[in-house]
Amino acid sequence: EAQVTQNPRYLITVTGKKLTVTCSQNMNHEYMSWYRQDPGLGLRQIYYSMNVEVTDKGDVPEGYKVSRKEKRNFPLILESPSPNQTSLYFCASSLAGGFSTRETQYFGPGTRLLVL
Amino acid sequence: AQTVTQSQPEMSVQEAETVTLSCTYDTSENNYYLFWYKQPPSRQMILVIRQEAYKQQNATENRFSVNFQKAAKSFSLKISDSQLGDTAMYFCAFMGHTGTASKLTFGTGTRLQVTL
Repeated sequence: EAQVTQNPRYLITVTGKKLTVTCSQNMNHEYMSWYRQDPGLGLRQIYYSMNVEVTDKGDVPEGYKVSRKEKRNFPLILESPSPNQTSLYFCASSLAGGFSTRETQYFGPGTRLLVL
Repeated sequence: AQTVTQSQPEMSVQEAETVTLSCTYDTSENNYYLFWYKQPPSRQMILVIRQEAYKQQNATENRFSVNFQKAAKSFSLKISDSQLGDTAMYFCAFMGHTGTASKLTFGTGTRLQVTL
C-alpha cells in the first residue's frame, strides 16, 4: 500500500530535550515536506526537500532541522524543543515537487507534539 | 507570496443537501495547482479534489466538484448530496511553480458540519 508513515504519532516531552520525528514514504517520491498545523493558522511549511541531500527552508523553519540522506526518509529534528513548538506535524511527499502533471501531495497521519 | 483565503470559518448543511465552500487566492503565477483537502476528526489529511490552472474544465470527483474562476482567482468546492461522513475541516491549498521547488500554501480552513 502506497503511504507516508510518521513516528511517533503522539509525543509529550519537556523543554530542551532533543527529539526526532521520523517520516518515510514508499512511493519513490522525489519531494518531501514538513508542515505544522496550529488552530486558526492552517498548515504552514517548515522545511522541504526536492531530492536526496537537497533541503530548503519553508515559511517557519526556526527551531527545526531536517536531513535527507535517503530518498524514502525525511526526519524532522527539534534540537531544543520549546513550548511554542507544541503543534500537530505532518509529513508529505509528492512525485516531483510540482513539475509533474500528476502532482499531488500525500500526507502522513500526523504527529501530535506537546512540549512542556 | 501566495495567499489563500477561506472566509467561512464554519458552515452547516443538512444531510442530502448541497453546500459550497469558498476559497480565493492571490498569485502572480500563471501555472499552478489548486487542491481541496478534507481533515476529519482523525486529523488525517485527505485529498478531495485537484485542479490544474491551465485546464478550463472544472474538476469533479463523484459528489465533489469545483468552480474554478481563474480571472477572479476563486476556487470553490461544491458538495452535493451531503453525507454525515462529510463532516470535517476543509482546507483549500495552492501550489505554485516558482523557482526550483513548489510548496502548498493553505487557507485557514472551513469547518463543515453535516446534520440530520
